[in-house]
Amino acid sequence: QQQVKQSPQSLIVQKGGISIINCAYENTAFDYFPWYQQFPGKGPALLIAIRPDVSEKKEGRFTISFNKSAKQFSLHIMDSQPGDSATYFCAASATGGFKTIFGAGTRLFVKA
Amino acid sequence: GAVVSQHPSRVICKSGTSVKIECRSLDFQATTMFWYRQFPKQSLMLMATSNEGSKATYEQGVEKDKFLINHASLTLSTLTVTSAHPEDSSFYICSALGELDNSPLHFGNGTRLTVT
Repeated sequence: QQQVKQSPQSLIVQKGGISIINCAYENTAFDYFPWYQQFPGKGPALLIAIRPDVSEKKEGRFTISFNKSAKQFSLHIMDSQPGDSATYFCAASATGGFKTIFGAGTRLFVKA
Repeated sequence: GAVVSQHPSRVICKSGTSVKIECRSLDFQATTMFWYRQFPKQSLMLMATSNEGSKATYEQGVEKDKFLINHASLTLSTLTVTSAHPEDSSFYICSALGELDNSPLHFGNGTRLTVT
């Protein structure tokens, strides 16, 4: 019940295309859903995050779509660029629970 | 804001020696810090939760005597890998919880440990 399932494991997208990464969770106590971007040899960096009181959040080319009833959320990267090539982790946590649960990660490669 | 500094970024040590990794929150107070281990092409594996002024809470299967964690101040947590062996070679990452409950985690840049 603590798992966050992430797919796909890897993704290849043409420059200018849309990258879509999906995550699903079971624990309804989760109320904070961040996405992290990690480049090789670096620590993860917060990209964008959403709370379940909204169904979508957009920041620049990055959008999170959230479906509370389905317990699913996804990251959309519009106009994907080679510089977006990285590993993306979805995550979930609960207020007061401190522990953040991470998905398995998606390795994105954007072809120039 | 919310910068976490981790040192060293890379360390090579001989088998049997100990290595200390530092994690500092530079512009905020972090009562809770986390230590992760990451294997190549895998997700982050939580090793332990570090709370300022108290003993760390270790995840199941993590040897507390091997991975010593000290959180002596609101801005500093250290992980010491004692009597390191080649199988301890890995990428270790710390993170700090922001000052608000359920705020995002802020990560250090990781430490690549190689034990020869």
